[in-house]
Amino acid sequence: NAGVTQTPKFRILKIGQSMTLQCTQDMNHNYMYWYRQDPGMGLKLIYYSVGAGITDKGEVPNGYNVSRSTTEDFPLRLELAAPSQTSVYFCASSSGTDSGANVLTFGAGSRLTVL
Amino acid sequence: AQSVTQPDIHITVSEGASLELRCNYSYGATPYLFWYVQSPGQGLQLLLKYFSGDTLVQGIKGFEAEFKRSQSSFNLRKPSVHWSDAAEYFCAVGGNRDDKIIFGKGTRLHILP
Repeated sequence: NAGVTQTPKFRILKIGQSMTLQCTQDMNHNYMYWYRQDPGMGLKLIYYSVGAGITDKGEVPNGYNVSRSTTEDFPLRLELAAPSQTSVYFCASSSGTDSGANVLTFGAGSRLTVL
Repeated sequence: AQSVTQPDIHITVSEGASLELRCNYSYGATPYLFWYVQSPGQGLQLLLKYFSGDTLVQGIKGFEAEFKRSQSSFNLRKPSVHWSDAAEYFCAVGGNRDDKIIFGKGTRLHILP
């Protein structure tokens, strides 16, 4: 059982380039999340989705876009990369069936550097 | 708005000593509360969760946490730490399954031999 898979693990981008961080889960979870982690700042929620076709903004959505065309996939797109987007990105998913709450299963993370 | 405060950025304890990591939350309704642990270079793993019922919850690796509604706190404890407990610990709060989950800034735990 693969769980939550993120690709790539590492990426270096130049300012202004665009890229997509891929996230896929094989647990048939309805709920999926993207967080970014910066030193000393904890995890900040970028976007989340409660099901296919439904997405919503989190705490820090500016500069990012998401889509959720299938239950399994929740890609995160950076359109015009900026140095402020240098971070470690985590995708997570949840079934939402654990007493009606979301217990998150995390991917291993994607480290992005923008130069 | 929901928020989580972990007042201690770093904590250092000796191996075998007891541990308490603090977490205070703000949430408008009955919260769901979580503690996650992150080892260096790894993703996050759930330690324990509180949804309702007994306010003292047990988790993996010998950790426990106590929910105190009057103090809006959910502190994590362990009676005797091991060197392998060195990691970063995150407290998180959420509501029902359609609600977002917000994390604190984390507390990095250092263990002295």
